[in-house]
Amino acid sequence: GAGVSQSPRYKVAKRGQDVALRCDPISGHVSLFWYQQALGQGPEFLTYFQNEAQLDKSGLPSDRFFAERPEGSVSTLKIQRTQQEDSAVYLCASSLRTSGGGTGELFFGEGSRLTVL
Amino acid sequence: SQKIEQNSEALNIQEGKTATLTCNYTNYSPAYLQWYRQDPGRGPVFLLLIRENEKEKRKERLKVTFDTTLKQSLFHITASQPADSATYLCALWYSSASKIIFGSGTRLSIRP
Repeated sequence: GAGVSQSPRYKVAKRGQDVALRCDPISGHVSLFWYQQALGQGPEFLTYFQNEAQLDKSGLPSDRFFAERPEGSVSTLKIQRTQQEDSAVYLCASSLRTSGGGTGELFFGEGSRLTVL
Repeated sequence: SQKIEQNSEALNIQEGKTATLTCNYTNYSPAYLQWYRQDPGRGPVFLLLIRENEKEKRKERLKVTFDTTLKQSLFHITASQPADSATYLCALWYSSASKIIFGSGTRLSIRP
């Protein structure tokens, strides 16, 4: 597609449920990032992939969060046993260049808004 | 840990004036600094990038400066228009890291 696509756009989960958020990056983009954005805050880094390799997962808040990109294209962010504090917008971004940022601008999707009741 | 501070208060500017947004950071300087625009309910959109060895970068009505001594970047929008109303995010990338760190953003409102 022309841009980064995320699904679902909105997800309501009951506390304790597992959720899976999908990201389709721009074709050919090597780098893929996941960010978490709370209301009124900037995006907080969660994890980074270069192709299928997860090079940095230092931002994942707990072991309930898991991300994968098995074929170096589509990525899934999974949250197990959701808690209310997980409620946020989850943004996916891709970049043509390796090692993520620097001279490579990030192309963001519209985000997946997760609400945990 | 690295901290990024942007104007915490929303900025209200009269149409036609120049809007100036500030991004301050602590500790060591990044290799690159980027500015993004974010509209409500949308993902951020890249605007400009400036390298640590550059003092100033321009693009149409936008201008970014980077002062590694002050550890500060300024983002200017000249001849501001109501359509420029959005949240503006500053983002830093360090060559030793693989992630881009974002500030909390500044909400800019341009009134007619």
